[in-house]
This record gives sequence, C-alpha cells and structure tokens, in this order.
Amino acid sequence: DTGVSQDPRHKITKRGQNVTFRCDPISEHNRLYWYRQTLGQGPEFLTYFQNEAQLEKSRLLSDRFSAERPKGSFSTLEIQRTEQGDSAMYLCASSSGPLAGDREQFFGPGTRLTVL
Amino acid sequence: GEDVEQSLFLSVREGDSSVINCTYTDSSSTYLYWYKQEPGAGLQLLTYIFSNMDMKQDQRLTVLLNKKDKHLSLRIADTQTGDSAIYFCAESVSQGNLIFGKGTKLSVKP
Repeated sequence: DTGVSQDPRHKITKRGQNVTFRCDPISEHNRLYWYRQTLGQGPEFLTYFQNEAQLEKSRLLSDRFSAERPKGSFSTLEIQRTEQGDSAMYLCASSSGPLAGDREQFFGPGTRLTVL
Repeated sequence: GEDVEQSLFLSVREGDSSVINCTYTDSSSTYLYWYKQEPGAGLQLLTYIFSNMDMKQDQRLTVLLNKKDKHLSLRIADTQTGDSAIYFCAESVSQGNLIFGKGTKLSVKP
C-alpha cells in the first residue's frame, strides 16, 4: 500500500451539476478525514469517519455536501448542485487512531474541483 | 474560536537556517504539526510534537514549543533549494481533526 489515493485528480463541472469524489485510505486505517483547501489558504476540516460512522461534521459542510464510508474502507464525498464557490482542492486523510493515539494524519494528493 | 497564525513568506539563502513561526489559540491542543506542501502535491507530514514537550529534533528539523505563549516554531538547518515549499502549522482539536494556518511560503535562493 503506497498511501492515500484519491480519484479523480481533477474535475471540471458546470454550475448546478453533481460531482462525486472517492478516497481510498491507507489499509487498516480506521479514521478518514475530508478537508477542503482554497487558494492561499490552509486546509479546512469538513468531516471525519471512525470506521463507517460519521462522527463529526464542520459547519462548512452544507446540506449540498454528503459523505459516506459504507464499509469502513473507501469514502465518497458528493456535492449536489455545485456552485462556483465550491471550486477548491478536496483533500482526504487517514489515520490509525484512536488506539494508536491518532497522532499522524496522512494526506492524499487531492481532487481539484473547478466549477464553471 | 480556534485559530492558527503564520507569517506568509520567508526567504533564505541556501545553506542558511530557516525558522518558521506559528501561534495557536487552543490551549487544549494535544499535538502540534508541521506539514510541507510542494506545488501540485499533497500535504507531507514533516514532524509533530506532543504538547507536554518543549523541543523535538529530527535530522535537520527542530521544533520548539512554548506552551505558555502558544508559540510553535520549525527550524530547518542547512536549508536546500529542495526545501522550497509551503509549510503549514496545524493543531489537533476535539476528535482529532486538524486546524491549519494559512501556510508560510519558503523560498530558498541559491
């Protein structure tokens, strides 16, 4: 296993369309996080999963956003009715917490979304 | 609320030491992190420090933590052109999600 992978790496869509991103964490990592990064900013937390349970959601995660991790392995992030303000890099991270102390989050390469 | 502040730019000459500074607000943070991001690449975890430590050294990297002042710094010894990147300071909060600063762009001149 070479790390966290994300697909697609780039997505261009028209305003109003729905998009879905996938994240595959490091094997046996039970925590999975989604972040969003806009130009010139640091990543901002969106949501996280402990196995298949979604345990926390940021107020940044509007009703148009939904995330799932159905079998506790890969995760999907769907954005419905995309808006130009959704254009950003969407980052996924995984960690082995909580028993390991959840100290290290390893990030994937990200999916860059452009909404026209 | 939680906030992490960093200076936006730092320029050094190759071979010099670089010091990147960060301040944070959440005194309950258990771990503080430094990540590196190169153009077009994801975030690479460089190092982290537990909040009850005041220093951690890892090869060319030295992290200093002043918990009283909520100040964190990253020193890179013998800075190389390959160290040019954006460096993010982050603190862990609540269930483990991270709060990031806006990043410090390090430019290394030959």
